[in-house]
Amino acid sequence: DAGVTQSPTHLIKTRGQHVTLRCSPISGHKSVSWYQQVLGQGPQFIFQYYEKEERGRGNFPDRFSARQFPNYSSELNVNALLLGDSALYLCASSLFGGGDGYTFGSGTRLTVV
Amino acid sequence: RKEVEQDPGPFNVPEGATVAFNCTYSNSASQSFFWYRQDCRKEPKLLMSVYSSGNEDGRFTAQLNRASQYISLLIRDSKLSDSATYLCVVKASGTYKYIFGTGTRLKVLA
Repeated sequence: DAGVTQSPTHLIKTRGQHVTLRCSPISGHKSVSWYQQVLGQGPQFIFQYYEKEERGRGNFPDRFSARQFPNYSSELNVNALLLGDSALYLCASSLFGGGDGYTFGSGTRLTVV
Repeated sequence: RKEVEQDPGPFNVPEGATVAFNCTYSNSASQSFFWYRQDCRKEPKLLMSVYSSGNEDGRFTAQLNRASQYISLLIRDSKLSDSATYLCVVKASGTYKYIFGTGTRLKVLA
């Protein structure tokens, strides 16, 4: 069985641009969460989606948005990119919401120049 | 005060040593606790959940102290392959987000 898949794996963008990151959860998992990990820090919660509904949002500006599709895959969008948005973006899959732990994808490494 | 705090290390230990990490959390309503392992430039991987009664998985033992609001991870007979960053994770009751510590870096030396 495929694990959590994220695309692209690496991305370089210019300040002010927009980016879309994609995630497919483990088959049968209905919840997707997004985390941002800056070098040297632990992952920071951005969003959680379950059954296409947003269930939680972290302390990120409105430039960050996400959605979940009927097949449970998800997109994370970031507008007006800043240098500080450079990070590893991790997608986490769980059956319901992570009470039993997440499985993370290998992430998208975003560099903003 | 950070919601989840860990000593960043690094902890440099010889092969075969026993090493322990602690992690403190600030929200007494925290409900679920985990240890994740993260290798350099890789994604975090679930190492083990932490239960109130304590739990063991091979060489790894996790414990929870709700009164003092900390969790611990003990690694016995350290292997070179245990070298990684260990992330403490806490989930508060009524929320859907995991709060990660900054991680404790472990280096097991030959």
